[in-house]
Parts: sequence; structure tokens; C-alpha cells
Amino acid sequence: QKEVEQDPGPLSVPEGAIVSLNCTYSNSAFQYFMWYRQYSRKGPELLMYTYSSGNKEDGRFTAQVDKSSKYISLFIRDSQPSDSATYLCAMRGGIDYKYIFGTGTRLKVLA
Amino acid sequence: DTAVSQTPKYLVTQMGNDKSIKCEQNLGHDTMYWYKQDSKKFLKIMFSYNNKELIINETVPNRFSPKSPDKAHLNLHINSLELGDSAVYFCASSWRNEETQYFGPGTRLLVL
Repeated sequence: QKEVEQDPGPLSVPEGAIVSLNCTYSNSAFQYFMWYRQYSRKGPELLMYTYSSGNKEDGRFTAQVDKSSKYISLFIRDSQPSDSATYLCAMRGGIDYKYIFGTGTRLKVLA
Repeated sequence: DTAVSQTPKYLVTQMGNDKSIKCEQNLGHDTMYWYKQDSKKFLKIMFSYNNKELIINETVPNRFSPKSPDKAHLNLHINSLELGDSAVYFCASSWRNEETQYFGPGTRLLVL
């Protein structure tokens, strides 16, 4: 079992839809949870990060962490064509404090 | 003004050759990383340096040798290139134990 699992998609939604992106993980030592956005032929850029359980909101983006279920989510409200990208979850924690990335979900928002 | 830069952006080479990729960051960070992203977009850490000291060395063939001449630079040398080395290699930097990593634009390596 991979430490972090993420559905690769692609996920296609109409403009204005609410998008839900998810990751599950197996290592209960993870404490920091990140979402990166990667546009085609670019490097990933950090969107949001959350420490431990709870919600965090930033504009149209909301990150949720449920440590009891080992499940994290990123919600995008009022999705725009410019949100079309690959979204990678990432986690950190444990003895070696290593960064582990999910495989990424490719999102297409159709105009 | 580029925060993390990599050269070259594209690299096409024959099997068996030796090549290097260079990375520089101007953010003042103390930690730098090399990642490999395969065709399925899976991003896997290869190495990490903190203040020129190797702190993460994943299970990577010893044909890959990182070098950090100073904390703003991290280079990757690859010997005897193989077809399976074809991927996008990303450099990143951060403050150690901070959660935000800043990625470079990537180097697209194609081994023929």
C-alpha cells in the first residue's frame, strides 16, 4: 500500500461547479498536510497547508483534514477554467520528517 | 527575479552518456531538494541538502550524484544514462522543517 493515495483523474467539471479533491494516507505520524497546484509544464506551487485536523479557508479554496479517517480534501468553489491543473496533496511528519506527495489529480474546468 | 531556477530546461541525450542539471535559488533558504516526476506525474524525492549537508538520500541508483557547492546551489550529475531515467527533474528549496517548498520549472530529460 502506498503511503499516500490519490485518484489520478482526469476530473472534468463545468465552470462554476464545486470541486472536491481527496487523498487518503496510511501513516498516522503525518502532521502537516499540503496541497500543491501544478500547471502543465510548470513546477508545483503551494496552494494551502494545514497542521493536524480541521479546516482552512483561503478565498475559493478550503482544505479539510480528518486525521481519524486519514483523509484530506481540497474544495474549490466557483471553479474557473484557470483552475485546470494537476493538484497534488503532500504530507509531512514522522521520524524522518520526509515530504511525501500523492500522485496528483488532473482537473479540467470546462468553460 | 526567478526564485528557483534550473538549467537546462530540456535535455535530450543518448543512453550511456553523462549529464548534469544545475539548480540555483535566491530565496536564502537553507534546504534544497531534487525530485523526479515520472510520466504519471508521481513526484518522488531523491535527495535533500541542508546547508550543504546531505540529509535525505532515497533509494536512488548511485549513478545519480548530487553536489551542493553552497547553500544556494544544488546540482545533479547522472552517469551512464538509461532509458528509465527519462522524466522531469524538479529542484525545490525551503527553510528546513517549514512546510512551503518552492519548485523550479523542471528539467525535461529524454534518454534515447
